[in-house]
Formats: sequence, C-alpha cells, structure tokens
Amino acid sequence: AQSVTQPDIHITVSEGASLELRCNYSYGATPYLFWYVQSPGQGLQLLLKYFSGDTLVQGIKGFEAEFKRSQSSFNLRKPSVHWSDAAEYFCAVGAIGTGGFKTIFGAGTRLFVKA
Amino acid sequence: GAVVSQHPSRVICKSGTSVKIECRSLDFQATTMFWYRQFPKQSLMLMATSNEGSKATYEQGVEKDKFLINHASLTLSTLTVTSAHPEDSSFYICSALTSGGGELFFGEGSRLTVL
Repeated sequence: AQSVTQPDIHITVSEGASLELRCNYSYGATPYLFWYVQSPGQGLQLLLKYFSGDTLVQGIKGFEAEFKRSQSSFNLRKPSVHWSDAAEYFCAVGAIGTGGFKTIFGAGTRLFVKA
Repeated sequence: GAVVSQHPSRVICKSGTSVKIECRSLDFQATTMFWYRQFPKQSLMLMATSNEGSKATYEQGVEKDKFLINHASLTLSTLTVTSAHPEDSSFYICSALTSGGGELFFGEGSRLTVL
C-alpha cells in the first residue's frame, strides 16, 4: 500500500537559515510526488511536483525538492527561510488504484521561523 | 493557476440538521474531485473520490449515508453532511483534478461546527 512519512512533526529555523523538510514514501511504481503548504485555517497550495524527468524540481516561493529513488525520498529545501514561510507543509504521493487516481498525504511538518 | 472554490467557508449548525458544502472548479473542468477531512493539527484524510456522473467511491470507514457526495457537473461537486453531530465538526477540503490527471487543485476549505 502507498504511504507517506514525514518524520518531523515540527521544525524551528532562524530567519535566513536554510531549511530541509524530510519526506519518505512507499509506492510500488514511479510515484507522482507533491509538496503542499497550508496556512492556518486555509486550503492547500501546491509548492512543486515531480512526475518524471529531472529529479531536482523547482517550485514557487524559492522552494525545491529532490527525488531520490534509491532512498524513496522527496525532501523539500529552501536556501534562506523567510518569516512568511511559517506554515504546515505536507508531502503527498499520487497513486493510481482501483478507484482511480488518489493523493495520499503525510502527517505534515509544522515550520516555525524565529527572528 | 486554476481555481477551486468552496462554499461556505464557515458554517455553524445545530445537531441533527444537514449541511451542504459546494466545491467548484472555476476555470477548468474536473471529471474527478476529492473530499478530505482534516482534524486540528492533523493531516488530510481522504473521504471519497467523486467522479462526474457516477457514484462516489468512499474510503474505508467513511459512512456513505452520512456523507452524501454528488458530482452533478464537470465543475461542481457537493458534500452533504446529513444529521450532523458535534463529532462531525471538522475542516472539510475538496480538490479537483484537471483533465488528464495533470494537476490537483485544492479549495480553501470549509469549517463545519456542529453545536
């Protein structure tokens, strides 16, 4: 069965510091991988996605993620965090099942940014 | 980018009443929409997959008679929480899949409070 693991429930980084949010997935084939950001009380915004091709994916707001098949990972990175990046981040895998396409989410990582 | 709108964004109702939440894809046609439930500080739990013109596919453990889903057109899916109880209070989020399964867009979410 497909699953997504985000090992860190929350992370605190200083403004201007670099960031890496971890994501590991379990899926039998090449997955569709996503990172979303959610601000409190709001829906999800897509940061970036990987379907195929270049394993380093650039997204919005200066985020990037690297697909590593050997490690079943899709970690999200940003070289310099801004205070406005504080939010909940969800990694997700898109899978094709008997019911069609569905997206499975990790538990999320809450990012705190300190001045 | 594509826009998915949910309405209402917030609703408060009395126990025993039914509440309808709408999910609209504003600038694209979505043959497939998804409904999620999110508990405070938790990830999104897929409730059901809604396909236009056919019955929804519910995830295990989700009561189909309680959470009625109708996908009457290519731009509208509705979730009706029937005979709502306080334990149904939650944040409900929909998403819509673009044709060809290229991308998934999320609504802003609807917060239901059952008194």
